[in-house]
Order: sequence, then C-alpha cells, then structure tokens
Amino acid sequence: EPEVTQTPSHQVTQMGQEVILRCVPISNHLYFYWYRQILGQKVEFLVSFYNNEISEKSEIFDDQFSVERPDGSNFTLKIRSTKLEDSAMYFCASSVSAEGYTFGSGTRLTVV
Amino acid sequence: RKEVEQDPGPFNVPEGATVAFNCTYSNSASQSFFWYRQDCRKEPKLLMSVYSSGNEDGRFTAQLNRASQYISLLIRDSKLSDSATYLCVVNGGTSYDKVIFGPGTSLSVIP
Repeated sequence: EPEVTQTPSHQVTQMGQEVILRCVPISNHLYFYWYRQILGQKVEFLVSFYNNEISEKSEIFDDQFSVERPDGSNFTLKIRSTKLEDSAMYFCASSVSAEGYTFGSGTRLTVV
Repeated sequence: RKEVEQDPGPFNVPEGATVAFNCTYSNSASQSFFWYRQDCRKEPKLLMSVYSSGNEDGRFTAQLNRASQYISLLIRDSKLSDSATYLCVVNGGTSYDKVIFGPGTSLSVIP
C-alpha cells in the first residue's frame, strides 16, 4: 500500500533555530497538506498546497512557516525561529483529489 | 460554536457492545465528511467517508444529516482492536482544501 513518508521521525531543536520537516507524498497525489497536533490536543490544519502553490492556510500558518516542493517528490515545511510552543507532532498528508487524505507517520518536533 | 464538535468521551464499553459517536459541524456549506481513527501517538487513518445516503463497511455504519449538520458513526460488535480515538473530519464550504478535525472521542473496549 502506498505510503506518505516523513523524516525525521523525531527532531529536537533549540529555541530560535530553524527546522525543515520533510515529506514524500504518494506519487500520483496532487494535493499536499501539513497538520500539527500538540500533545493531548486536536489535529490542526496548517496549510494545503496544490499546483505548486499554497491553496489554503490557517491562522496558525504565519510568516514563521513556509512550504516548498523543491523537486517532483519532496514537500517540506520550514519553521523559522522555533518557539517552545511549536513543539508538536507534525503530520504531512496527501490526496488524489481534495478528499480521502493519507497521512504520514509524523515528525515529533521538540523545541528546548 | 466550534467548527466541529464531538462527544467528549471517553467511552468505555465491553467487547461485543454497540457504540455510537456523534459529531456536529457549523459550516452548512461543507461538502465532504469523514471518520478517521487515531491510535495513541500515531497518525490519523481514514476509517470511512460519509455519504448523504449513509454507508456501511462491515461493523461500521456512518450517517450524515445535512439539515441538522450532524454526522454519526456506529460500531457494532466492538473488538479490543477498536480501541482508539475517533475523529470527525469535515472539509469544503468555502474551500475544499481546508480540512477541520474534531477533537476526537476516545474509545476503550474492555475484555
């Protein structure tokens, strides 16, 4: 079964540093997403990406965040100047249409 | 009103029981509806889409009432492996690309 692959599985970073979370969506999928889940809280939408541009973003997705599809397979989330409250599980997802999303296993980001 | 609300839970039920989860959503223009399950510290996994006519997949039945903006999930003959958090997911409305997750309802199936 095709999978969405995320790396690393766990990232520890110092406050103020920049991190890049990486995702390889399923190859024939056209829509890409990032979500985050703070421990014990609900899954929150960050951003959707289609046709090489952001199609929708939440109020969480401010100037601290950016996404990129640097080549035909990778989809990255960059978080600049990390804060303690950025500690969360970050999930990448992809879909063929804008329905029925497949999630990666997530990157646990810990900001210390 | 929150965009997607669910029963607060947790639900603790014996094996073999039937359990129902409820979900309401605030955006009447929403077009697509799903149930996901999430195991502890794992990614959400699609359980089933929810269609207006209602749909069934084995022991799982999903219903949608657009007039009431209400979605339900029924699990019959619950198994230990059904223990998880069940997430109601809604997208569409002004944008198909924005997906809203409910807070989830935790289910524990007890031997």
